[in-house]
Formats: sequence, C-alpha cells, structure tokens
Amino acid sequence: AQKVTQAQTEISVVEKEDVTLDCVYETRDTTYYLFWYKQPPSGELVFLIRRNSFDEQNEISGRYSWNFQKSTSSFNFTITASQVVDSAVYFCALGSNFGNEKLTFGTGTRLTIIP
Amino acid sequence: EAQVTQNPRYLITVTGKKLTVTCSQNMNHEYMSWYRQDPGLGLRQIYYSMNVEVTDKGDVPEGYKVSRKEKRNFPLILESPSPNQTSLYFCASSSQRQDLNTEAFFGQGTRLTVV
Repeated sequence: AQKVTQAQTEISVVEKEDVTLDCVYETRDTTYYLFWYKQPPSGELVFLIRRNSFDEQNEISGRYSWNFQKSTSSFNFTITASQVVDSAVYFCALGSNFGNEKLTFGTGTRLTIIP
Repeated sequence: EAQVTQNPRYLITVTGKKLTVTCSQNMNHEYMSWYRQDPGLGLRQIYYSMNVEVTDKGDVPEGYKVSRKEKRNFPLILESPSPNQTSLYFCASSSQRQDLNTEAFFGQGTRLTVV
C-alpha cells in the first residue's frame, strides 16, 4: 500500500524567512511519481511540481526548491524568502507507476507567513 | 483554456435526497478521478476511471457511484447522502500518455453539506 506522511501539520514563519516542508513516502513500486500541490485559502489545488522516481536531481523554480532523496524516501519542499502569498496548505502526493490515475495524498501542511 | 469544470460549487442538501455532482474536462484526457478532502485527512480517492466505461473503486467508495459514458464527463452520484458525506469534493483528469502525463488537473471543488 502507498502512503505519504507530512508530519508537520502547521508551520508559522515570519515573512522573508526560509521554510522547509517535509514529505516522506512509502511505496513498493520501482517506478512512481511525486507531486506537490498548493491549496490557497480560495480552495483550488495548484500544481507545483512532478518528479519521477528515476530523476533524483534537485529542482529550483524561483524561490521554490525541491530535494528528492530516494535513500530516505523523502521529497522535501523549501520556500526561500517566504512571502505572505505563500500562506496556504501544501500537499505532497504519490502517483502509481502508471502516473496520475491514482494519487495518494499526505494530510497537508498549513503554512502561515506572518507579515 | 484547459480546464476541469465541476458543478455545483456549493450544495446544501438533506439526508437521503439523491444528488449528482458533474465533472467535465476539455483536454481529451483518459484518466478521471474523484477525491474528497476532509480536515486532517488530506485528499482521498473515491473512484477513478481509466477510460470510457472503465471505472474502479478508490480508497473510500462507499456511498458513491460513478459512470463514464463519455470521455469528457465523469459525474459523481450520491444515491442517499448522509451527513458523513459532508466534504469538499474534487474532480481530476490527466493524460494516459507518459510524455503528456505531467500533472493531474483539478476542478475548483464542490463543497457539499448534508444536513
């Protein structure tokens, strides 16, 4: 069975601080996909990144970066120089070896950026 | 514009009164899914479909029905809603093609309250 654990339920940081959201996953598949989605207060789900299990390169997109480590089954997400607009619930998700037909989500981390 | 459209966005109903939440996508995607989001539980998959007339249960299918008669539509049916089905529901679609299979596109969500 697949499982995603986001141990941090809520995090609050002061604006401009860096913050890392943790994600640990469990799967028996050799090919799988990992995702991060953002859910702002308006409620929609915003896709941030997809990473397949064969690509362990870290990725940077502006203030966002992701650290994928198969050895520890983790896919952590760092926001550098946080801004109030980053306040949201962030979900990590695990896809099967087919892709996106079935996503297993973590319980989410509520991030609050304090001005 | 590529999108997944759910209707209605908000719905309050009474116990036992059958209802349908519609979902439509304009991207010719093969995969479609329904998820429910509950506080502290993240998103959990209800049903998914890998193509027309092909559906299967997700993690929490009890009390729900789906059908996939056309590729673009995937309605969620609650034959006899109960208060424990009060939740935020999301429809998602994605492509079967690995070269296009970058993300699951989510609808805006339907907030359902059963009283």
